[in-house]
Amino acid sequence: AQSVTQLDSHVSVSEGTPVLLRCNYSSSYSPSLFWYVQHPNKGLQLLLKYTSAATLVKGINGFEAEFKKSETSFHLTKPSAHMSDAAEYFCVVSTSSNDYKLSFGAGTTVTVRA
Amino acid sequence: EAGVTQFPSHSVIEKGQTVTLRCDPISGHDNLYWYRRVMGKEIKFLLHFVKESKQDESGMPNNRFLAERTGGTYSTLKVQPAELEDSGVYFCASSRQGEWNTEAFFGQGTRLTVV
Repeated sequence: AQSVTQLDSHVSVSEGTPVLLRCNYSSSYSPSLFWYVQHPNKGLQLLLKYTSAATLVKGINGFEAEFKKSETSFHLTKPSAHMSDAAEYFCVVSTSSNDYKLSFGAGTTVTVRA
Repeated sequence: EAGVTQFPSHSVIEKGQTVTLRCDPISGHDNLYWYRRVMGKEIKFLLHFVKESKQDESGMPNNRFLAERTGGTYSTLKVQPAELEDSGVYFCASSRQGEWNTEAFFGQGTRLTVV
């Protein structure tokens, strides 16, 4: 079985300050982990993915995430938030035992203050 | 290259009516998935096609839901008859065959409201 917990349902940051979105996962197998973003009235877009290569993964728009097996975490960060980062973010896990089923976290809504 | 497209973007129907959602995957993508997000809940897997075959439909909530994928191209998801609890956003995604952890590309979703 696999599951994802996003620890914050809502995060509010000031423009230019760091963003941290927390994600913990559980999986019986070696997981692949993803972060997706959904802007209003848009589809889900892949930000980055971890697939057992480097533990620090860089994605689009300046985002990165670090896979920490000992902590079963895959937190998403960005050093400086931009207004365009306001969106909903999803942490997602899949495993080789269930290669097509993505398990989504509940989502974190990010608000960026000017 | 066109992305995954879904029609309609919004649908409001009365309880008991029928609604058909359509998904056009990226050309050449053998895998096609349907997911659903009910209000206030996580996005949940519904089913998976490989080409025209249903690989897994374990996430389909009940027999009021019927998915098809004609000729391995576009897919439809029919809800008949619709109930209030079917309201939510229905996402379609597609990916290439072969790599189990390959990226899934999502459509913008269809927001279904049953009143």
